Amino acid sequence: SQKIEQNSEALNIQEGKTATLTCNYTNYSPAYLQWYRQDPGRGPVFLLLIRENEKEKRKERLKVTFDTTLKQSLFHITASQPADSATYLCALDIGRTGFQKLVFGTGTRLLVSP
Amino acid sequence: SQTIHQWPATLVQPVGSPLSLECTVEGTSNPNLYWYRQAAGRGLQLLFYSVGIGQISSEVPQNLSASRPQDRQFILSSKKLLLSDSGFYLCAWKIGGSYGYTFGSGTRLTVV
Repeated sequence: SQKIEQNSEALNIQEGKTATLTCNYTNYSPAYLQWYRQDPGRGPVFLLLIRENEKEKRKERLKVTFDTTLKQSLFHITASQPADSATYLCALDIGRTGFQKLVFGTGTRLLVSP
Repeated sequence: SQTIHQWPATLVQPVGSPLSLECTVEGTSNPNLYWYRQAAGRGLQLLFYSVGIGQISSEVPQNLSASRPQDRQFILSSKKLLLSDSGFYLCAWKIGGSYGYTFGSGTRLTVV
């Protein structure tokens, strides 16, 4: 069966440290992998997109890696801040061009303590 | 600029009542539009998506239906709500390229 798995347990880290979140998937062949941030009671907000032929993408304090052989993506937040506390969702953009849809993992809650 | 509107923000409806949630987008034409539901403590589940006027793809057979009467309007409906229809409903559209998907602010539906 098709699955997108993220750590269901919350990740607790101290301010200033690097947070690393994991996304593993099975039986998908995504054209893109995306990461979103979701705050309580709000819709997800797009953070980063990485293509299947890219190994790494960076944006400010964020870094995403994508290993299509392992079927895994790692999402890093460096110099984490309490404001980074949220749920982070991994999503796969699947389907043929023009008919794509986004399938989500269950998300990992990140808590950054001051 | 490109924006997405979704309403109402919250809704409390009795079991067996009808439902209509509306989503509209501005600043673009012929977008791909999506309806998702997030049950309490659960992930986002894709319900329907549409690539054009009158075209609807259903992902999960259930008590809901969707329609796209205009290019930038997407409607989620039910004739008779069930308790299990409670959840957080989100509309989204795909911008394309490297910009991901944009989500609306959501509707919190409670069926009582």
